[in-house]
Amino acid sequence: EPEVTQTPSHQVTQMGQEVILRCVPISNHLYFYWYRQILGQKVEFLVSFYNNEISEKSEIFDDQFSVERPDGSNFTLKIRSTKLEDSAMYFCASSEDRWDTEAFFGQGTRLTVV
Amino acid sequence: QQQVKQSPQSLIVQKGGISIINCAYENTAFDYFPWYQQFPGKGPALLIAIRPDVSEKKEGRFTISFNKSAKQFSLHIMDSQPGDSATYFCAATGGGNKLTFGTGTQLKVEL
Repeated sequence: EPEVTQTPSHQVTQMGQEVILRCVPISNHLYFYWYRQILGQKVEFLVSFYNNEISEKSEIFDDQFSVERPDGSNFTLKIRSTKLEDSAMYFCASSEDRWDTEAFFGQGTRLTVV
Repeated sequence: QQQVKQSPQSLIVQKGGISIINCAYENTAFDYFPWYQQFPGKGPALLIAIRPDVSEKKEGRFTISFNKSAKQFSLHIMDSQPGDSATYFCAATGGGNKLTFGTGTQLKVEL
C-alpha cells in the first residue's frame, strides 16, 4: 500500500539552528501538507502546497518556515531559526486532489528543540 | 469560528460496549467531516468521513451521525475492542483540504 514517508523520525536541535524535515508524498498525489502536533494537543494545519507554490497557510506558518519541492519526489519543511516552542511532532500529508479526498499522513518527525 | 470542539477528552469502555465521541462546529462553510484514528507514534489515519447531505454513515462497526441544524456530529464505535484503543480526532474542512482538527479523545477499551 502506498504511504507517505518522513525522515528523520526524531530530530534534536539547538535553539536558533535551522532544521529541514523531509517527506516523500505518495507518488500520484498533487497536494501536499504540513501539520504539527504539540505533545498532548490537537493536530494543527501549517501549510498546503500545490503546483510548486503555497496554496494556503496558517498564522503559525510565519517567516521562519518555508516549504519546497526540490525534485519530483521530496517535499521539505524548513524552520530557519528554531525556538523552544517549535518542539512538536510534524506530520506531512498528501492527497490526490483538493476536493473530497483523503489526506494520507506520514508517521511524523518528532522535533525537539533544546 | 474555525474551531471544532470535541468531547470527551478521554473515554474508557468495556470490551463489547459502545464508544461515543462528539464534535461540534461553528463554521457553516465546513462541508466534509472526517474522523481520524491515531495510534502512539503514528500519524493520523482516516477512519470514516461524512458530508452534510446525509445524516448517518456506517462502515463496519463505525458510524458517523450528523446533525446539520445543530452543527454536531458524532462517532459511534459498536462492539468496541481492545484494538480500538487509540486517540480519535474529528476534523472538518470546507472549500479545500485544510483540515481543522478537534482536540482528540483518548479511547481505552478494557477487557
